Amino acid sequence: DTGVSQNPRHKITKRGQNVTFRCDPISEHNRLYWYRQTLGQGPEFLTYFQNEAQLEKSRLLSDRFSAERPKGSFSTLEIQRTEQGDSAMYLCASSFLAGVPYEQYFGPGTRLTVT
Amino acid sequence: GQQVMQIPQYQHVQEGEDFTTYCNSSTTLSNIQWYKQRPGGHPVFLIQLVKSGEVKKQKRLTFQFGEAKKNSSLHITATQTTDVGTYFCAGPNNYGQNFVFGPGTRLSVLP
Repeated sequence: DTGVSQNPRHKITKRGQNVTFRCDPISEHNRLYWYRQTLGQGPEFLTYFQNEAQLEKSRLLSDRFSAERPKGSFSTLEIQRTEQGDSAMYLCASSFLAGVPYEQYFGPGTRLTVT
Repeated sequence: GQQVMQIPQYQHVQEGEDFTTYCNSSTTLSNIQWYKQRPGGHPVFLIQLVKSGEVKKQKRLTFQFGEAKKNSSLHITATQTTDVGTYFCAGPNNYGQNFVFGPGTRLSVLP
């Protein structure tokens, strides 16, 4: 399967702990996006990369959140000192800039529960 | 900031009935995308509209982009149980670098 993959699929953590999620985009895609989705809402943009460069960050992304995409391949999203309000589905998506403009392929997501 | 709204929030239909969801943006959009998310699944790209007044069809689905490029609609003819899910519209933000998603319309189809 050459789709977008995310790991882990589920993460339960205690408040105050740090968590890290990984996203592996479709191999030829140069853009990678992170979204957060809560129940009954649409995906909320967090940040995106073009190759290894992080080009935009949402105001939703507090200083507890950091994302990297070393070498322009996989990406990681880290949340430090988790809070209960961080509980959500974290979605990764990738797209190929030269294809259908910005058509995004989403991964299955990582569901985070902060207790 | 830019806002993308959708109505209705929920729609319950009998199988075979038609369904329409409407999307409205607070700003003029260069293009609009539609996604479908099945229960427990992730959003899947359906289509992108770019031109003012554009209409595109995919089998029983008809997508329309408003003349002013601030609204869009998705119409499903003769719904089937496989149409169940949440339909999202998404428009590029002011910088055009990422997309702002609407809250979605959740469709239930009763057999």
